[in-house]
Amino acid sequence: GDSVTQMEGPVTLSEEAFLTINCTYTATGYPSLFWYVQYPGEGLQLLLKATKADDKGSNKGFEATYRKETTSFHLEKGSVQVSDSAVYFCALVTGGSYIPTFGRGTSLIVHP
Amino acid sequence: DAGVTQSPTHLIKTRGQQVTLRCSPKSGHDTVSWYQQALGQGPQFIFQYYEEEERQRGNFPDRFSGHQFPNYSSELNVNALLLGDSALYLCASSWGSAGGSETQYFGPGTRLLVL
Repeated sequence: GDSVTQMEGPVTLSEEAFLTINCTYTATGYPSLFWYVQYPGEGLQLLLKATKADDKGSNKGFEATYRKETTSFHLEKGSVQVSDSAVYFCALVTGGSYIPTFGRGTSLIVHP
Repeated sequence: DAGVTQSPTHLIKTRGQQVTLRCSPKSGHDTVSWYQQALGQGPQFIFQYYEEEERQRGNFPDRFSGHQFPNYSSELNVNALLLGDSALYLCASSWGSAGGSETQYFGPGTRLLVL
């Protein structure tokens, strides 16, 4: 079945450092790919998405490119802030179900 | 524009009890999905309601049931609570017409603790 694998956390960075959170997937067909963010004590918020190969999703300085050849959708940000500290979830949706399959989440901690 | 709202925010129950959680979807949305998020895990899909009927269901036992009302709000009921039911329960809403929508909007969740 469909699955999403994320790098284990926590990822600990200093403010203004470069961020990469790895995400790979296994899916039948051609999924749409998503990154969600969960701040402490809150629900999930959609951060960005990409619906086909080579698409780049971007929002709030975060970017991720849909790489079909490596089945990956890595999340990047050039300069993180303390306010980016949260748990980040990679997810996929395959055609027809519209139900996302989530990874286990990666915790990001940014120090001043 | 109000987003997805859930109540209560926290709940403590004992084993064997029953619980009801509530969700109001984002304005303009007609589909509600429920998820269970155990500590340190990603959300797991429980079921989805559209037009007051269960449209899809994940791998959860019949102890988990739901309902959708004509105003699109929804309830999640869990009977015979087990310790393992302790989790954050998330509600998400979306547009359901034409089969569904990939993009879901999540509420803040209800944290359930079963003692």
